[in-house]
Amino acid sequence: DAGITQSPRHKVTETGTPVTLRCHQTENHRYMYWYRQDPGHGLRLIHYSYGVKDTDKGEVSDGYSVSRSKTEDFLLTLESATSSQTSVYFCAISEFEGSRGKQPQHFGDGTRLSIL
Amino acid sequence: RKEVEQDPGPFNVPEGATVAFNCTYSNSASQSFFWYRQDCRKEPKLLMSVYSSGNEDGRFTAQLNRASQYISLLIRDSKLSDSATYLCVAYNFNKFYFGSGTKLNVKP
Repeated sequence: DAGITQSPRHKVTETGTPVTLRCHQTENHRYMYWYRQDPGHGLRLIHYSYGVKDTDKGEVSDGYSVSRSKTEDFLLTLESATSSQTSVYFCAISEFEGSRGKQPQHFGDGTRLSIL
Repeated sequence: RKEVEQDPGPFNVPEGATVAFNCTYSNSASQSFFWYRQDCRKEPKLLMSVYSSGNEDGRFTAQLNRASQYISLLIRDSKLSDSATYLCVAYNFNKFYFGSGTKLNVKP
């Protein structure tokens, strides 16, 4: 399995509090992604990174910020958590193009976040 | 319109059956395609990449039809352990677009 660690694995917090989720990889892959997964919506991209300090928005980026100061770490921050951000959050990594096209993503185990 | 669309199922099949899933993608510029499986409350795991010429991995065969913008997955001789949700993925310009998944239940 790809070396991806998400922390924490579970978190319960209150509306209005800041929350930071961490994704750590040992594969030295260039690309890192944050998704949320909710029933009926599938996986939706929040933000992604294509290098250290290089990030871009996904389709559901409002209310989230990210940072990548090192290749191995990609942080997702909810500045002021809301109940609508209760979800399962997955981190994924991928590498450059291979000889047969884009290399696939590999996922971390996920973080279950509940905001009360 | 969603970038990638799949029939949510569920597909309920007996062991040993052959089952096929299709998925369509809306962006003709999509460059690469994949199938993932996801077990309940687990992370998605890569099942196979999908190549233009079609490819096979054991009981699994993937096909890509660029003209019609669809991808298919064929599972032969279904096992109980194949029960999962299957996610279709299209990649374009740094982003992976996931379908909502097709649920497969393989029954004894």
